[in-house]
Order: sequence, then structure tokens, then C-alpha cells
Amino acid sequence: KAGVTQTPRYLIKTRGQQVTLSCSPISGHRSVSWYQQTPGQGLQFLFEYFSETQRNKGNFPGRFSGRQFSNSRSEMNVSTLELGDSALYLCASSTRPGLAGRSTDTQYFGPGTRLTVL
Amino acid sequence: AQTVTQSQPEMSVQEAETVTLSCTYDTSESNYYLFWYKQPPSRQMILVIRQEAYKQQNATENRFSVNFQKAAKSFSLKISDSQLGDTAMYFCAFMQGGSEKLVFGKGTKLTVNP
Repeated sequence: KAGVTQTPRYLIKTRGQQVTLSCSPISGHRSVSWYQQTPGQGLQFLFEYFSETQRNKGNFPGRFSGRQFSNSRSEMNVSTLELGDSALYLCASSTRPGLAGRSTDTQYFGPGTRLTVL
Repeated sequence: AQTVTQSQPEMSVQEAETVTLSCTYDTSESNYYLFWYKQPPSRQMILVIRQEAYKQQNATENRFSVNFQKAAKSFSLKISDSQLGDTAMYFCAFMQGGSEKLVFGKGTKLTVNP
């Protein structure tokens, strides 16, 4: 079974631009979560999508948004880029059994997209 | 809010020896899950081991095992027979049951020396 894929792997943008990152989950996984990883703040949760709906959101400004398609693929968008948005953006997928109960599946991560803002 | 603390920023171990990475967490929840992930220089985050809070038995996966002390809110990872390929950043993570939000510690950089 193929793993989580993320495209592109590397991006260089300038301040003020916007960027869209893509994530394809493991086949059969309907939940996609996004994380930002920086040397200073570590790994921080951005948001989670399940069944095309945002189910959970971290503490990030509205410039960070996302969406999920009917095939469970997800995109993340960052508008008006700032230097501080330079980071590794990780996507993870799971089956999300928790929606019907309180159990939790394991999240499996993609290789990440390295975004550099100049 | 839940927090996860890894008090050892860096550790090193000789090949074939055993090393233990520490992790403590803070939560008022009773239904939660704990994870150890490794992130080698390639940056791919890989699951090492998972522990359900309701299970008293410590999880094991081949050379990796945990010491889960629920009352102390401690979740350490023991790596036996360390191998060069174990060199990586190790992250301890917490998830409340039914959510999909992982809360990570700052990580421990482990170097296995030949």
C-alpha cells in the first residue's frame, strides 16, 4: 500500500505571495491532518479534515487554510506569506475511527514540503 | 491544554548498547494515546511505538519498548541493541482519544556511534 504523498517537496516563495501544498493520504484513510515544523516552535498542529469538513483547528492565523476533496486528498493554502512561515509542512493520514467513538488510529506521515520564504 | 516534555535535547549511545529516552506529559483526560515517532535526517516521520492509556501492559515493538507510568504521567522509550540506523530525532506525542490532534514534545536527538 502506498504511503502518504506530498507535493511539491520543496518550494521557494517571496514575502506576500501565496502557496498551495498538496497531500494524498494512504488509500482508505479519510482523515488528513497538517502540521508545521520549525526549529523554534517545533511541531505544531494546523488543522484536520475528515469527509471534506474541517474537524479540528490549531492556533494559527486565518492566512492558513485548507480543504479536502471527495477522494480525501487535501490541500493547504497560505496567503500573504511571511518570513516566519518558512518551515517543513507535514501531512498525516489516518482512518479516524474516533468520529464514531473515542478510539484513535495512528497517524502516518508524508515526507513533508519544505517551504522557504525569502 | 495538554503538554509534552522531553527533558533530554541530545543523547548518544554506542552501537549494540541500550538507551532510554524520557518523556512526561500533562493531561486531565482519562482517554488518551501516547506515541513515539522518529525523524531521521531524511525528515520522514516514522511511527516507532504506540501506547493506549487504558492498557496497563507496556507496548513493545522488536527492539523498542516503553515504560508507561500512568500515575506519574511518564512515557519513556527504551531502545535495545542500538543500531546506526536508529540515529534520528525522537518525538514523544500525545493524542486525546477521539481527536486527531497530536501534541508533540520538542524532541531528543539520538546519535548512535559505531
